[in-house]
Amino acid sequence: AQSVSQHNHHVILSEAASLELGCNYSYGGTVNLFWYVQYPGQHLQLLLKYFSGDPLVKGIKGFEAEFIKSKFSFNLRKPSVQWSDTAEYFCAVSHMGTGKLIFGQGTTLQVKP
Amino acid sequence: NAGVMQNPRHLVRRRGQEARLRCSPMKGHSHVYWYRQLPEEGLKFMVYLQKENIIDESGMPKERFSAEFPKEGPSILRIQQVVRGDSAAYFCASSPSGTGENTIYFGEGSWLTVV
Repeated sequence: AQSVSQHNHHVILSEAASLELGCNYSYGGTVNLFWYVQYPGQHLQLLLKYFSGDPLVKGIKGFEAEFIKSKFSFNLRKPSVQWSDTAEYFCAVSHMGTGKLIFGQGTTLQVKP
Repeated sequence: NAGVMQNPRHLVRRRGQEARLRCSPMKGHSHVYWYRQLPEEGLKFMVYLQKENIIDESGMPKERFSAEFPKEGPSILRIQQVVRGDSAAYFCASSPSGTGENTIYFGEGSWLTVV
């Protein structure tokens, strides 16, 4: 069965620090990969997605992610975080190429001003 | 263009009552997904529906939970005889088709509290 694993459950950074959140998935076929962000009390918003093509994907708010097929990874990065990036981040993979998403357990990011 | 609309946003039910959560997909979207987020956990897939059809209900609890997406009107997630463990955020999402190459858009969620 497909699964998604996010390595860091809780990350605390100071403003301007660089961010990398790990995401690994288990599935040998074609995958579509997503990162969503959930601000406190709000719905999930799409940060970025990978379907095909350039494995380095740029998203909103300065986020990017790199798909490394050989490592089954899709890590999220941001060079310099802001206090407003405090939120929960979810990595997800589409199941068998369908719209059904399998989510990781999430990473809570706390950015200290 | 309105996004995915869910209501109610917050619902309080006593144990044993029924909860009905509604979801109107984005305009032009005919595929609806329901997810549940328990406290301190990630989102878990519950059910995937198209108009008048349940495509995948592998994440639905076997009892008390049902979902529908009628030809007209919103999708409804129904929980009968609620228990405290049903307290969670329930998110609806929609997409224009069932393939993985469409972005899935999420609603703002319905927070169910069972007292």
